[in-house]
Amino acid sequence: EPEVTQTPSHQVTQMGQEVILRCVPISNHLYFYWYRQILGQKVEFLVSFYNNEISEKSEIFDDQFSVERPDGSNFTLKIRSTKLEDSAMYFCASSGRENSNQPQHFGDGTRLSIL
Amino acid sequence: KNQVEQSPQSLIILEGKNCTLQCNYTVSPFSNLRWYKQDTGRGPVSLTIMTFSENTKSNGRYTATLDADTKQSSLHITASQLSDSASYICVVYDGNKLVFGAGTILRVKS
Repeated sequence: EPEVTQTPSHQVTQMGQEVILRCVPISNHLYFYWYRQILGQKVEFLVSFYNNEISEKSEIFDDQFSVERPDGSNFTLKIRSTKLEDSAMYFCASSGRENSNQPQHFGDGTRLSIL
Repeated sequence: KNQVEQSPQSLIILEGKNCTLQCNYTVSPFSNLRWYKQDTGRGPVSLTIMTFSENTKSNGRYTATLDADTKQSSLHITASQLSDSASYICVVYDGNKLVFGAGTILRVKS
């Protein structure tokens, strides 16, 4: 069964450094998402992306965050100047059609640790 | 405030027993309600999606119910197995984004 893959599985970065988290969505999917889960807390929506544009973003997704689909397969999340509070598990997800009644397929996440 | 509340926070049951997990939501507008299973260290996996007009939906040993009038949902697991040990997360789609509950941590003991 096709799956969403994320790399790296664990990223350790110094505060203030830039970090790029990478995702390969399911190949025929058109809608892409990033979520984060701080340890012990709920999963939180960050951003949705369709047709090379951001469709929706949360208050968390400020100017320090950006997303890109640099080619036909990858979907990336960049954090420009990381803060301690950016430490979390980051999940990428994709869906085949408009989200309304379609399941989102999640990757296994990247654990980001900011020192 | 748009919220999804789940109970209990955690639950321990014996293998082979049934259990029911609860979800209440205040998310508006409401588009659909989903249940996800999240194994430790893994991403969430979709179990069911129910729209406003659906009262019940099954996926194997998982049966979800939805009462859109009272804004409540439940997930019933039948004949539990050790592999059912996971976090079960209730999620509401508001038309723009998914709103997650905190999950119920289920542990199935032999």
